Amino acid sequence: AQSVTQPDIHITVSEGASLELRCNYSYGATPYLFWYVQSPGQGLQLLLKYFSGDTLVQGIKGFEAEFKRSQSSFNLRKPSVHWSDAAEYFCAVGGVPSNDYKLSFGAGTTVTVRA
Amino acid sequence: DVKVTQSSRYLVKRTGEKVFLECVQDMDHENMFWYRQDPGLGLRLIYFSYDVKMKEKGDIPEGYSVSREKKERFSLILESASTNQTSMYLCASSSSGTQETQYFGPGTRLLVL
Repeated sequence: AQSVTQPDIHITVSEGASLELRCNYSYGATPYLFWYVQSPGQGLQLLLKYFSGDTLVQGIKGFEAEFKRSQSSFNLRKPSVHWSDAAEYFCAVGGVPSNDYKLSFGAGTTVTVRA
Repeated sequence: DVKVTQSSRYLVKRTGEKVFLECVQDMDHENMFWYRQDPGLGLRLIYFSYDVKMKEKGDIPEGYSVSREKKERFSLILESASTNQTSMYLCASSSSGTQETQYFGPGTRLLVL
């Protein structure tokens, strides 16, 4: 079965500093990978997704993620964090042939931004 | 822009009550999903529907049922609410095709007393 691990439950970062959120997946073939963000009291918003091709994916709000097949990872990065980036971030994986519509989500990483 | 709306942001119910959570999307999407979100567990799929009147169980369907009579509307039903169903419930929709982006509603926070 597919699964997603986000090793960091909570990360605190200073405004203007770089941010990296880790995501590891378990899946037997090339997965479809997603990063979503959830601001307080809101639903989830898609930041970026990877299906195939270039392994470095650009998303909204200045985020990017890199797919590394050898490490089964899809880490999210942002060079300079803004206070509005404080939120919960979810990595998700899909693409199991018998479950084309389903996504499996990680437990999430909460990001706190300090001034 | 895709818009997914949920009938309530907050809901308080008593144990044993029948609870209806409504979700409506305005983008003519074929697929609709119900998730519950709990701290430390991420999102877990309860049910999804890939067409009107069609439904499939997700990972945690026990204690829930769903209804999809119209393409734009997907309802989650708790037949007899229990305290362990206190959670955040998120609805999502997507167009057909493998792994199209899912668009989420704002969520309903349900408290069962």
